[in-house]
Amino acid sequence: KAGVTQTPRYLIKTRGQQVTLSCSPISGHRSVSWYQQTPGQGLQFLFEYFSETQRNKGNFPGRFSGRQFSNSRSEMNVSTLELGDSALYLCASSLGLEAATNTGELFFGEGSRLTVL
Amino acid sequence: AQKITQTQPGMFVQEKEAVTLDCTYDTSDPSYGLFWYKQPSSGEMIFLIYQGSYDQQNATEGRYSLNFQKARKSANLVISASQLGDSAMYFCAMREINTGTASKLTFGTGTRLQVTL
Repeated sequence: KAGVTQTPRYLIKTRGQQVTLSCSPISGHRSVSWYQQTPGQGLQFLFEYFSETQRNKGNFPGRFSGRQFSNSRSEMNVSTLELGDSALYLCASSLGLEAATNTGELFFGEGSRLTVL
Repeated sequence: AQKITQTQPGMFVQEKEAVTLDCTYDTSDPSYGLFWYKQPSSGEMIFLIYQGSYDQQNATEGRYSLNFQKARKSANLVISASQLGDSAMYFCAMREINTGTASKLTFGTGTRLQVTL
């Protein structure tokens, strides 16, 4: 089956602009979570969406937001971009039923690499 | 709070040799899952292996095995018969099941593995 698809793969923005990243999960997966990866902070959890609802949120400012559609596809948005937002943004897809099954079904996409100038 | 520690920033191994990448974790949740991911320079996080906290057997997936020592809170990855294509960053990650954050992974800082001829 098809894997997790993230678009765009690369993008360059300038400070103050906003950006929208997209993630299509594996078919049948209802949970989409987002991570930010930077050399200084490593991999950090941004938020998770399940059945169109934000289920968990990491410690990021309100400039970072997201949503999930009825087909489980998710978008994340970063407004008023800062230089420090330059990062690889990774999306992960899972069944969303881990509390019941405790499975390893959690797969990542190739990421969207954002550069802020 | 959960924490993942990877104490080896970099490792070298000769082709066809086995290598062990260390990972220790800390959690107060009795139900959790441990993951290993490989991240080549392209950025994609590739799932390697998963161990649930209640799994009785150590997980194995082809050349990858997870040496799970629950009492010591360690989950070391063993790669047998290393190949040049194994050169990459390797991340250990954990998720807690009973805290309502089942899709939130906490990552270690990673180990860069270099396979040599």
